[in-house]
Order: sequence, then C-alpha cells, then structure tokens
Amino acid sequence: KNQVEQSPQSLIILEGKNCTLQCNYTVSPFSNLRWYKQDTGRGPVSLTIMTFSENTKSNGRYTATLDADTKQSSLHITASQLSDSASYICVVYSNYQLIWGAGTKLIIKP
Amino acid sequence: DTAVSQTPKYLVTQMGNDKSIKCEQNLGHDTMYWYKQDSKKFLKIMFSYNNKELIINETVPNRFSPKSPDKAHLNLHINSLELGDSAVYFCASSPPSSGTKGGTDTQYFGPGTRLTVL
Repeated sequence: KNQVEQSPQSLIILEGKNCTLQCNYTVSPFSNLRWYKQDTGRGPVSLTIMTFSENTKSNGRYTATLDADTKQSSLHITASQLSDSASYICVVYSNYQLIWGAGTKLIIKP
Repeated sequence: DTAVSQTPKYLVTQMGNDKSIKCEQNLGHDTMYWYKQDSKKFLKIMFSYNNKELIINETVPNRFSPKSPDKAHLNLHINSLELGDSAVYFCASSPPSSGTKGGTDTQYFGPGTRLTVL
C-alpha cells in the first residue's frame, strides 16, 4: 500500500535551534517528493520538490535530503524562527497521484 | 494580489442542506483542484480540472459536484450535507505544463474553507 509516514508527529524547540523532520515512504513508482509548509488556518505552501536524482536541495534555512534507495527524506531547519511554527507535510508524487503524509506539527518557542 | 482565493472561509450549516464553496485563481493556471483535509490532517484529492474539463474524480459521493465556468474558477457544490462532510476544503491550482493527475508542478493552495455540519 502506498504510504507516506512522518515523524515526529509534533515537535517543540526553542527559537534559534535547529531541527530535522523525517519522512519515510512506501510508494512505487516514485516520481518526486515535495515538502510543504502549512501555517495554521492556511493552505500548504511548497518548500521544495526533489526528483529521484537529487540528494539535497536548499531553500533558505530549509534543507531537504532524499535517499531514494532507503525511501527516506528529511527536512532540516536551521536557526529556527517563530515564523517557522507550522505543520510540515511530506508528499510523494507517484503514478499521477500525490500521496500526502499527515505532517509534523512544529512549534517554535521564544 | 491574492493568487488562489476561496469563499467563504467558514461555513456552518445543518445536515441536509445544500451549500457551495467558490474558488478563483488569478495565476493563469490551467489546472485546478479540490482537496479535503480531515481531522487527521491528511489532504485527499477530490477533483481536478484542466481547462474546464474534469480529469480526476476520486471516490467522492455524487453529492459533491464541481463546476468550472471558466479556467479561473472551480466551484464545489455539496448536496444533502452530512456530518462526515465536516472538514477543511482546499482549492489549488498548478501551471499549464502539468495537466496530468496530481501534476508534477508546484500546486498553489487557497486559504481553505472550514465546513462544519451540525
């Protein structure tokens, strides 16, 4: 069954600290993997899209990694800011479908 | 300069009623989508339209009927609302080069409509 699982479910860190969110997927065939940021009460906003051949991709303080062999991805956030508080959703595109994870809820405390 | 807009933002209604949610995008995109986000936070695609034509219709009760009067608009009409329809509904659009199910391009989401059925 095609699934996207994320961990942890929720995470609380202090402002300025780094953190890493995990995404494991059992999806085949694989086309690409996306990370979205969803602020409370808003729609998801794309952070990165990674294809099979890409191992690392950065977008400002966000760095996504992809290991297509182990079917794992991570999103690393550097020097967190209060505005990083949101849900981060991992999405895999496969067979013309987007398969969504449930997200990791990240809370940044001052 | 709103890219994808939805109205209303909140909708509270009684079981059995019929309601509509409107979506408009000013990005010039050809493909538009409706998603349902349930309490577990999973986003599930419901419909996709490319240039006013339906290209995805997932397993959704036929009480849900999308309507696309032009490629900038995709409205969602729901008949005989049920308690289980309570959720947040998101509209999205993607650039012209996609047009396949789900799309390979980035999707731009609206702010969502929180529907509560009492």
